[in-house]
Amino acid sequence: AQKITQTQPGMFVQEKEAVTLDCTYDTSDPSYGLFWYKQPSSGEMIFLIYQGSYDQQNATEGRYSLNFQKARKSANLVISASQLGDSAMYFCAMREGGSNYKLTFGKGTLLTVNP
Amino acid sequence: DTGVSQDPRHKITKRGQNVTFRCDPISEHNRLYWYRQTLGQGPEFLTYFQNEAQLEKSRLLSDRFSAERPKGSFSTLEIQRTEQGDSAMYLCASSLGGDEQFFGPGTRLTVL
Repeated sequence: AQKITQTQPGMFVQEKEAVTLDCTYDTSDPSYGLFWYKQPSSGEMIFLIYQGSYDQQNATEGRYSLNFQKARKSANLVISASQLGDSAMYFCAMREGGSNYKLTFGKGTLLTVNP
Repeated sequence: DTGVSQDPRHKITKRGQNVTFRCDPISEHNRLYWYRQTLGQGPEFLTYFQNEAQLEKSRLLSDRFSAERPKGSFSTLEIQRTEQGDSAMYLCASSLGGDEQFFGPGTRLTVL
């Protein structure tokens, strides 16, 4: 079974609107971390936001917030006030507690921001 | 802090040749990771170093692949007898302990 599932191959959003990118995960480890990375066409992976499994509050970083629903095993990324520069691939990733901290990535969602 | 750097950025080689990639992590980071990313997929873990010790290797890392981090600083990833299926982006990342991983720009390998 896939450990990270991103069901949206592509998403479109109008500039200045908010958008939600979906991510569900599968683990039996009680200790894990969830990450979102952005990959522009240049190829570099840019860290956006992190949520730990024991964190009580949803993580926020500027225009990025993570909607963490532990019981549903979902960790959706919300981008508010989209900008043209947000157009990129977005990857959800998980780090399991006993995994030597390696990341398991989903297949990604290609976000296109329209002017 | 110049971030994680990788060299070369692009490599084109013929099938059967050997190639070597270099990764320079952020200077104080003790953990270093190699990932491989093929078109349309997310990165897949290959191997991990803590300081100079290689602590885990994925089953994706066949015996044609070898990685080193001799002094706990930079790392090299060598692919011997390259195959067309090795064509991919090879990404290096580093972290300080269990914190977020910072990625380099990647080396794009094309095997003809």
